[in-house]
Amino acid sequence: DVKVTQSSRYLVKRTGEKVFLECVQDMDHENMFWYRQDPGLGLRLIYFSYDVKMKEKGDIPEGYSVSREKKERFSLILESASTNQTSMYLCASRAPGVGVNTEAFFGQGTRLTVV
Amino acid sequence: GQNIDQPTEMTATEGAIVQINCTYQTSGFNGLFWYQQHAGEAPTFLSYNVLDGLEEKGRFSSFLSRSKGYSYLLLKELQMKDSASYLCAVRVPNSGGYQKVTFGTGTKLQVIP
Repeated sequence: DVKVTQSSRYLVKRTGEKVFLECVQDMDHENMFWYRQDPGLGLRLIYFSYDVKMKEKGDIPEGYSVSREKKERFSLILESASTNQTSMYLCASRAPGVGVNTEAFFGQGTRLTVV
Repeated sequence: GQNIDQPTEMTATEGAIVQINCTYQTSGFNGLFWYQQHAGEAPTFLSYNVLDGLEEKGRFSSFLSRSKGYSYLLLKELQMKDSASYLCAVRVPNSGGYQKVTFGTGTKLQVIP
């Protein structure tokens, strides 16, 4: 069974803290993504990676960075957490290409609250 | 930029049929996805269309018209468990030769007895 696992379901952090969100997939996918989901705004892409040690900015990368040291693991880093980063964070992975069987598989999400 | 529109909320009756529309205006097109997301859970894949026409998968069908920038998700024989948000997403080529998927804001469907 396909699995994308995020390290925490709920997190509460203080403003200014450095926050790490971890994501691991077991499908040997090259492509991994980090989204945040906010009411009325839908899923917005923060960063993505198409290979180990490779990263690309998404639509809203400001205040975030990522790390992809191993194929199965993609980490999202909030350098200095702020209250406007309170959100649901979703990690996803997918196979490369544009054909069928390239849908994204999502982790269960991390609800981050910054106080 | 990319623009994907879908209704915010819909209500339908158990056992009925509901159609959720999605219109898009994007720079390029490499496929359209529908995902289902129950409250507090991760989105799960429902369907994928890249050519015009209807794709049927059990109680769920998805239609695409590329010339109109239009898709719909059709849910038949609605069940209470179909109450969820339905996300339309379009894949477009990105600068750098990659593929990028942009999501609509989702349609929250409530199924009532």
